[in-house]
Amino acid sequence: EAGVTQFPSHSVIEKGQTVTLRCDPISGHDNLYWYRRVMGKEIKFLLHFVKESKQDESGMPNNRFLAERTGGTYSTLKVQPAELEDSGVYFCASSRIGAQLFFGEGSRLTVL
Amino acid sequence: GDSVTQMEGPVTLSEEAFLTINCTYTATGYPSLFWYVQYPGEGLQLLLKATKADDKGSNKGFEATYRKETTSFHLEKGSVQVSDSAVYFCALTPGWGNQFYFGTGTSLTVIP
Repeated sequence: EAGVTQFPSHSVIEKGQTVTLRCDPISGHDNLYWYRRVMGKEIKFLLHFVKESKQDESGMPNNRFLAERTGGTYSTLKVQPAELEDSGVYFCASSRIGAQLFFGEGSRLTVL
Repeated sequence: GDSVTQMEGPVTLSEEAFLTINCTYTATGYPSLFWYVQYPGEGLQLLLKATKADDKGSNKGFEATYRKETTSFHLEKGSVQVSDSAVYFCALTPGWGNQFYFGTGTSLTVIP
């Protein structure tokens, strides 16, 4: 069974540009989460989808971040326009309802 | 709110040394506690967990005991190996939902 896959593994962009991160959860997992680790700090929750619906987006830092999960399968996280403080590693995780979370390898974002 | 505080790194040990990584938590209710590990170039992996007070989670020679009286979940291993070099994250999830609260991570390097 394929795990959670994330793309790209590393993205380097300039301040003001746009980046879109993608997460493909494990097939059949209705729960999908985005987390972020900024500059060696703790990993923080961004948002939670159940299928295509946003269950909790309380961790989204501001309106420059937009997450979608059309059709309840893969998800994208767009940052527009990117700022320096957005640099970090973005983790995606998925699970069946009430079951263990499985994390992807993360997408490292560097904003110059 | 709920939070996790873990020992800051980096930690460097010689092979076969004893490892302790401290983790304390703040939570309302009855959280479940976890240790996740991220090996170089890989995603977060569940290392062990404990779901109630006095439970001991164990895996790959690592152990951690859920101590409600001290609100702690310290990670220990009696004899580390070079292959244990990784970043270790303590985490909790409240008694509901799947949202995780992570610590800042502790980088461990084991030298031969």
